[in-house]
Amino acid sequence: SQKIEQNSEALNIQEGKTATLTCNYTNYSPAYLQWYRQDPGRGPVFLLLIRENEKEKRKERLKVTFDTTLKQSLFHITASQPADSATYLCALQSSGGSYIPTFGRGTSLIVHP
Amino acid sequence: EPEVTQTPSHQVTQMGQEVILRCVPISNHLYFYWYRQILGQKVEFLVSFYNNEISEKSEIFDDQFSVERPDGSNFTLKIRSTKLEDSAMYFCASRGLAGGGEQFFGPGTRLTVL
Repeated sequence: SQKIEQNSEALNIQEGKTATLTCNYTNYSPAYLQWYRQDPGRGPVFLLLIRENEKEKRKERLKVTFDTTLKQSLFHITASQPADSATYLCALQSSGGSYIPTFGRGTSLIVHP
Repeated sequence: EPEVTQTPSHQVTQMGQEVILRCVPISNHLYFYWYRQILGQKVEFLVSFYNNEISEKSEIFDDQFSVERPDGSNFTLKIRSTKLEDSAMYFCASRGLAGGGEQFFGPGTRLTVL
């Protein structure tokens, strides 16, 4: 069955450092991979989308890589700030249809001042 | 900036009662979705809606659930006879026509079934 794995342990880092979160998947050939941010008690907020034929995508302090051979995506936040503390969700989508994303459980990021 | 809104923010109900969760998607979006998230668990897809009909639904979306777009702006999720295990956050989302499926989520309704 399809499986998306994100580190269940919280990632603790110091302000100013680069945070790197990992998303691994099995039994899936996604056309798109997305990263969302979720704060406690709130809905997910879309951050970045990367297509299967793209290796890397950047947006301000965010960078996503997508390796379809390794079946892995890395999500980086550079110059991290305490306001970046949240849970980050990886979501995979197949092409066509309703583009239903399948979400991972997310990794909690805590940035210490 | 346009956003998805949901009401109520918190709904408490007795087991066996019917509840209706309401959503107002972003106005020019065409695809609408409901998800749920049980506390501490992942976000799970329930149903998608396009062109006034259900386009996909998950195993969770059984006969107790229904969706409706009663007018040009609202999108509702009805649970006919709530169970304890229906307690969760319910998120509405919408998407425009752009490919890749970037979805915009509402703030959620916390449903508590007693």
